[in-house]
Amino acid sequence: EAGVTQFPSHSVIEKGQTVTLRCDPISGHDNLYWYRRVMGKEIKFLLHFVKESKQDESGMPNNRFLAERTGGTYSTLKVQPAELEDSGVYFCASSPRVASTDTQYFGPGTRLTVL
Amino acid sequence: AQSVTQLDSHVSVSEGTPVLLRCNYSSSYSPSLFWYVQHPNKGLQLLLKYTSAATLVKGINGFEAEFKKSETSFHLTKPSAHMSDAAEYFCVVSDLRGNKLVFGAGTILRVKS
Repeated sequence: EAGVTQFPSHSVIEKGQTVTLRCDPISGHDNLYWYRRVMGKEIKFLLHFVKESKQDESGMPNNRFLAERTGGTYSTLKVQPAELEDSGVYFCASSPRVASTDTQYFGPGTRLTVL
Repeated sequence: AQSVTQLDSHVSVSEGTPVLLRCNYSSSYSPSLFWYVQHPNKGLQLLLKYTSAATLVKGINGFEAEFKKSETSFHLTKPSAHMSDAAEYFCVVSDLRGNKLVFGAGTILRVKS
C-alpha cells in the first residue's frame, strides 16, 4: 500500500510568486491534514479536511494560504503571494478516522524556500 | 490547551548504550500521546502511541515509552542505541477531538560509534 505522497519535494521561489503544493493521501483515508514547520520552530497544525470539506482551518496563518481538496482525494495548498516567512517544511498527513487515539500517517514533506 | 515539552533539544549517546529522550505533557483530560521519528530526508514515522491502555508502550525498533500520570511524563527509551537510530524525535499529544496533533520542539539524537 502506498503511503502519503507529496509533490514537489523541494521548491525555491522568489517573494511575491505563487506556489502550489500537492498531497496524495493513503487510498481510502477520508481525513487529510496539513502541518508546517518553520525553521527553528515546532511543527504546527494548519488545517483538516474530511473528504472535501474543511473541518478545521484554525491553523492557517493568513489569507495568502488556500487549501483545496476537490473530490475528496488529493489536496493542494497554494501560497499566493509567497513571503519570506512562509519558508519551511510543509507536511501532509492522512487517517481513516478522526479520533484522538488514531494514527496520522505523514508524507515526506515539501521544503519551501522563499527568497 | 494541550502541550508537550521535550526537555532536550540534542542528545548524544554511544552505540550500544541506553537512550532516554524526555517528554512532559500538559493536558486537561486523559491524553493520547505519540512519539514520531524523522530520519533525514524522510517523512515522520510513528514509533509508538499511548491511548490509555497499558502505561508501558512498546514500539518499533526496540523503543518503548512509559506514561506516568503523576509526573506528567512520557519518556522514550531504548536499551541499546544503534547507528540507525540517529534522527529527530518528536513527542506529540492529540487534541480531544483527534483532528489536531500538537508537537514538541523535537530532540535530535546523535549516535556515536
